[in-house]
Amino acid sequence: GAGVSQTPSNKVTEKGKYVELRCDPISGHTALYWYRQSLGQGPEFLIYFQGTGAADDSGLPNDRFFAVRPEGSVSTLKIQRTERGDSAVYLCASSLSGHNEQFFGPGTRLTVL
Amino acid sequence: QKEVEQNSGPLSVPEGAIASLNCTYSDRVSQSFFWYRQYSGKSPELIMSIYSNGDKEDGRFTAQLNKASQYVSLLIRDSQPSDSATYLCAAALIIQGAQKLVFGQGTRLTINP
Repeated sequence: GAGVSQTPSNKVTEKGKYVELRCDPISGHTALYWYRQSLGQGPEFLIYFQGTGAADDSGLPNDRFFAVRPEGSVSTLKIQRTERGDSAVYLCASSLSGHNEQFFGPGTRLTVL
Repeated sequence: QKEVEQNSGPLSVPEGAIASLNCTYSDRVSQSFFWYRQYSGKSPELIMSIYSNGDKEDGRFTAQLNKASQYVSLLIRDSQPSDSATYLCAAALIIQGAQKLVFGQGTRLTINP
């Protein structure tokens, strides 16, 4: 079956701009996670959704970052006033529930110039 | 101490030999552990999960969990050049009823033909 999909695969933007990154989880998966991965590091947790609600947003670095999942399926990660330090690969993962194995999408590589 | 620690490598192993990857963890994480394989420029791919003390085998892969010593390892038998990748160890951190993953920095493995 179809895996997790993410769009766009690459996003180049200028410092100060607003970006949206989209994630479409595996069908039927209620849990959705966003992670961020910098070069040479493991992924770092950003936010977790169970259904439509953000159950844990403790990993969001500051209030420029926000994510939604209005219908309990597709999620959008929104970054305002982007900074060069936001450049990374943003990974989305989903699982059947909050206690199962997580499967990652292909990621969005964000570059802030 | 970091919650999950791995030797970043690189680890170089001749083709056909056994590759051994190790990971240690702190008391903060739960007893669920995962190994992901990540090819250069790609997203992490789940290859093994282990929840109980002891060994778990799947094809050429064996995951080992030693709770007393707080380490988890991955053995790859009959290593192939296609096994060359970064291997990420992840542990589950249970927050608000769901598990978010805490990753090590990854070990880069090279299989030499």
